[in-house]
Amino acid sequence: RKEVEQDPGPFNVPEGATVAFNCTYSNSASQSFFWYRQDCRKEPKLLMSVYSSGNEDGRFTAQLNRASQYISLLIRDSKLSDSATYLCVVPPTGNQFYFGTGTSLTVIP
Amino acid sequence: NAGVTQTPKFRILKIGQSMTLQCTQDMNHNYMYWYRQDPGMGLKLIYYSVGAGITDKGEVPNGYNVSRSTTEDFPLRLELAAPSQTSVYFCASTRSSYNSPLHFGNGTRLTVT
Repeated sequence: RKEVEQDPGPFNVPEGATVAFNCTYSNSASQSFFWYRQDCRKEPKLLMSVYSSGNEDGRFTAQLNRASQYISLLIRDSKLSDSATYLCVVPPTGNQFYFGTGTSLTVIP
Repeated sequence: NAGVTQTPKFRILKIGQSMTLQCTQDMNHNYMYWYRQDPGMGLKLIYYSVGAGITDKGEVPNGYNVSRSTTEDFPLRLELAAPSQTSVYFCASTRSSYNSPLHFGNGTRLTVT
């Protein structure tokens, strides 16, 4: 089983829609998790950190389910500018971070 | 704070040439990483460092070398450029590998022809 797995999508949603991505992880000892946003061929940018059960920032909500070992990212009221690839990142028990393959989102006018 | 700074932003190399991709951070982070990202693909770890004087190989180290003489700088060296090294290279750093996020530089877009 991979350390981190994401549904690659693509997700194509209309403006204003709510969309959710899931990310599963294999290391039950992981304590913190991160969602990054990456625009085409640009650097990943930190979107949200998740240290406990969840986190909310405006239209974005991240939730953690430790029992099932997954984290989710919910985007409400999708904007055209939300179109990007969303990466799930799990810090290591060693020194190497684990990246999901990314979920592609396109918000359609 | 500038964060993580990478230079150059773009570079075209001929096969067999050498170059160094520069990465510096001003956040006093111990952990630094070099990733490459090919079109449509995920990030692959080339090398990483957990502190000055300490480096280790990642998933795809062949054709690259690194050094870490200071906390701030983590240059990546390509000795004999090959077309397979055409990619976007990202440097990243973090305070702690355990529970802190990675901070990425803007990337270096390298083409080898």
